[in-house]
This record gives sequence, structure tokens and C-alpha cells, in this order.
Amino acid sequence: GAVVSQHPSWVICKSGTSVKIECRSLDFQATTMFWYRQFPKQSLMLMATSNEGSKATYEQGVEKDKFLINHASLTLSTLTVTSAHPEDSSFYICSARGSGMGIYNEQFFGPGTRLTVL
Amino acid sequence: AQTVTQSQPEMSVQEAETVTLSCTYDTSENNYYLFWYKQPPSRQMILVIRQEAYKQQNATENRFSVNFQKAAKSFSLKISDSQLGDTAMYFCAFSLTGTASKLTFGTGTRLQVTL
Repeated sequence: GAVVSQHPSWVICKSGTSVKIECRSLDFQATTMFWYRQFPKQSLMLMATSNEGSKATYEQGVEKDKFLINHASLTLSTLTVTSAHPEDSSFYICSARGSGMGIYNEQFFGPGTRLTVL
Repeated sequence: AQTVTQSQPEMSVQEAETVTLSCTYDTSENNYYLFWYKQPPSRQMILVIRQEAYKQQNATENRFSVNFQKAAKSFSLKISDSQLGDTAMYFCAFSLTGTASKLTFGTGTRLQVTL
């Protein structure tokens, strides 16, 4: 149980276009979803936290108008990179947390999406 | 704000041997959760082991165990009988206990298991 999927796993786009990444909790209801960015050989950097039906909370330094996050249902959150540029190329990982799923506030991670902007 | 420090960027261990990865953290809170995550070349984050701060007994999961020293704010991971499949990045992470709490990750330790 507690499976999180991401789609697509890999995407290449042209500079100036927008890209949408989906994160789904397959077998539980995700009350909270998190979006991370990971550069090569570096740690995960939290970009934003989203709760179902609410606006996302962005970490300091993350442009909310560039990285649009929508958590419209208890099983789906989307990250849209608007007007993508080569410096947005990175590995994006989502995670999800469900209510009442244990005592450790555990987050379940998706497999990640590699974004390359040409 | 909480911080997590992993002072070993890379480590190597021979198959079947034991290795210990270090992690220290800083917090003013009394109760919290600590985690070790593994990220193999596939880049899928896998939870290895977790510990709740108010539990004095060190967590154990098969070949993985932790040495949790609350006063020293240290949370090291011991891997016994290392296997080739243990080759991965290992991240130490911290979380407060509230349901809205975020994970704070360390910078990671790259572990290479050799024949």
C-alpha cells in the first residue's frame, strides 16, 4: 500500500513553454502533498506544500507564479512549470501524506520526473 | 529552524562488512521524528528506518539499525552485512510531530558497496 505515482517520468520541452507534472496517490487519500526539486548529486529541496482544496504554501525563494501547484482532489496534485527555461531543468519529486496513516507523519514518495528544458 | 548535517559525502564498504553513516541535527524541540531514506540509482526515495525522539530504544529493521543519542543530537545509521544492493545515496531527515510538518533533509552520503 501507500503508492505514489508521477507522470511523466521524463519530459523535454522548449524554452518558454509550460510543463505540467502530475502526482497521484494510488491507494490512499493524500491530505497533504509536497513538491521537491533535486539537482544532480544534491539533496531534496522542498518547493511547496499543498493541502487538498487550499492554496499551496511555498518555501522562501520559490517563485509561486512560475511553479503553479494545484491540489484539487485527495489523490491528485499538479505542478506546472510556466515559461520554462534551461535553469528549470531538474529532477522533481512529489510526496504525499494521508491522515491517520501511522504516527510518524510519514511521507510516501513518487518516482520523480526529470525535466529537461532546451 | 531545524538543520540536519551529514558530514560524510562519500563512503565505501566491502560486501558483507558493516558501515556506519553519521547524522547530526539541531532543534530546540523535545519531540520529533528522525528518518533515514535511501535513494538508489533509480532515484526512488525509499524509507529505511525511522525513530521517534521520545523512544529511547534504538530502531532496528533487519540489517539496518540506528544509534540515537538525543542529548548529542546524533542519529547514525548502521548497515550490517552490506550487500551490493545497498549502494545508494542515503539521506538523514528530520520532522516535527505536527501533521503539517515538513521533512528537512541532510546533504546525503553516497555509499558504494564493493566486492
